[in-house]
Amino acid sequence: RKEVEQDPGPFNVPEGATVAFNCTYSNSASQSFFWYRQDCRKEPKLLMSVYSSGNEDGRFTAQLNRASQYISLLIRDSKLSDSATYLCVVRPSGGYNKLIFGAGTRLAVHP
Amino acid sequence: DGGITQSPKYLFRKEGQNVTLSCEQNLNHDAMYWYRQDPGQGLRLIYYSQIVNDFQKGDIAEGYSVSREKKESFPLTVTSAQKNPTAFYLCASSLAGGGSNEQFFGPGTRLTVL
Repeated sequence: RKEVEQDPGPFNVPEGATVAFNCTYSNSASQSFFWYRQDCRKEPKLLMSVYSSGNEDGRFTAQLNRASQYISLLIRDSKLSDSATYLCVVRPSGGYNKLIFGAGTRLAVHP
Repeated sequence: DGGITQSPKYLFRKEGQNVTLSCEQNLNHDAMYWYRQDPGQGLRLIYYSQIVNDFQKGDIAEGYSVSREKKESFPLTVTSAQKNPTAFYLCASSLAGGGSNEQFFGPGTRLTVL
C-alpha cells in the first residue's frame, strides 16, 4: 500500500465549478500535512498547509481528519489558471524534514 | 532574487556514462534534498543533507552519489549503476532539516538516457 494515495484524475471541470480532491495516508503518526501545486513540467510549489481545524485561503479550503487519515482540498469558483496537478504531501513524525508525496491529482478547468 | 537554480534543464546521456546535475541555492538554507519524479508516481527522496559536509541516503539512493562541500551547493551524480535513470530530477532546500520547514524546489532537470 502506498504511504500517500490520491485519485489520479483527471478531473475535467468547467470554469466556476467547485471541485474536491481527497487523499489518504497510511502512517497514523504523521505530523504535518500539505497541498502542493505542480504545473506541467514545472517544479512543485506549496499551495497550503493543512491543519486539524481546517483552513481556508481564498477559494481553497483544506481539511484534515486524523481519525480517518484523510485529507481533502476544495476549490471553489474554479479558474482556468487552477489547471495543474495537486500533490498531497505528508510529513511523518520525528527526525529530519522528510516529506512523503502522493502521485498527484490532475485538474483541467475548461471554458 | 533568492532561489534555487538547477542546470542543465535538459540532459541526454548515453548508457554507461556518469552525469552530474547541478543545484545551487542562495536562500541561506541549511538543508538540501534531491528527489526524482517518474510519470504517475510521487516524488521520491534520493539523498538529503542537513548541514555542510554531511548527507544521508534517502529511499532510493542506489546508483546515485552526492557531495555537500558548500552550503549553497548540492550536486547529484547519476552513475552508470543506476538502472533506470531517465526521470525528472528536483532539488529542494529548507531552513533546517528538522521541524516542519517549507521545502522550496528548483525548476528541475529532465534526464534522458539514450
